Amino acid sequence: EPEVTQTPSHQVTQMGQEVILRCVPISNHLYFYWYRQILGQKVEFLVSFYNNEISEKSEIFDDQFSVERPDGSNFTLKIRSTKLEDSAMYFCASSGTSEGMRNEQFFGPGTRLTVL
Amino acid sequence: GNSVTQMEGPVTLSEEAFLTINCTYTATGYPSLFWYVQYPGEGLQLLLKATKADDKGSNKGFEATYRKETTSFHLEKGSVQVSDSAVYFCALLLYSGAGSYQLTFGKGTKLSVIP
Repeated sequence: EPEVTQTPSHQVTQMGQEVILRCVPISNHLYFYWYRQILGQKVEFLVSFYNNEISEKSEIFDDQFSVERPDGSNFTLKIRSTKLEDSAMYFCASSGTSEGMRNEQFFGPGTRLTVL
Repeated sequence: GNSVTQMEGPVTLSEEAFLTINCTYTATGYPSLFWYVQYPGEGLQLLLKATKADDKGSNKGFEATYRKETTSFHLEKGSVQVSDSAVYFCALLLYSGAGSYQLTFGKGTKLSVIP
């Protein structure tokens, strides 16, 4: 069964460093998403991406964040200068192209980011 | 804005007990409703969904009915198993423009089932 994969599973970084979180969406999906979950809190929407551009972003997704689809398979989230409060689990998701398929988002296992 | 409220956990039940996890929502439009499950060390998996009022989603013995009049989507299972131990998330999905659908999640409810 096709699945969304994410690497690394756990990333530890120093405050102020840049991190790139990687995702490989399901191969025939065209809509991509990032969500995050700070420990003990709810899962929050960050950004959606379609046709090589951002469709929508939340207030959390400020200038420190960027997304990219550098090739036909990867979808990345970059945090330019990490802050302590960026420590969270980051989930990538993808959805299909038909009307019904866009309703269902398939999630990866997440990357736990720890900023020290 | 849109929001989802689900009962606080953790919930601890004995095997074969009846499970209810309450979920209510507020939304600016007509959402689709979902329950996702997260097993230890794994990602979010879709458990069940309902796209319109009075629809019942079901999977693996779990059920939830979309109640528009009470804006609720409570999760139930008649007889839980140890393997059901996980965190359960209620979520709503609304079209947010430019072909993008945005999920809004509740905080999650941790369920532990003991033998």
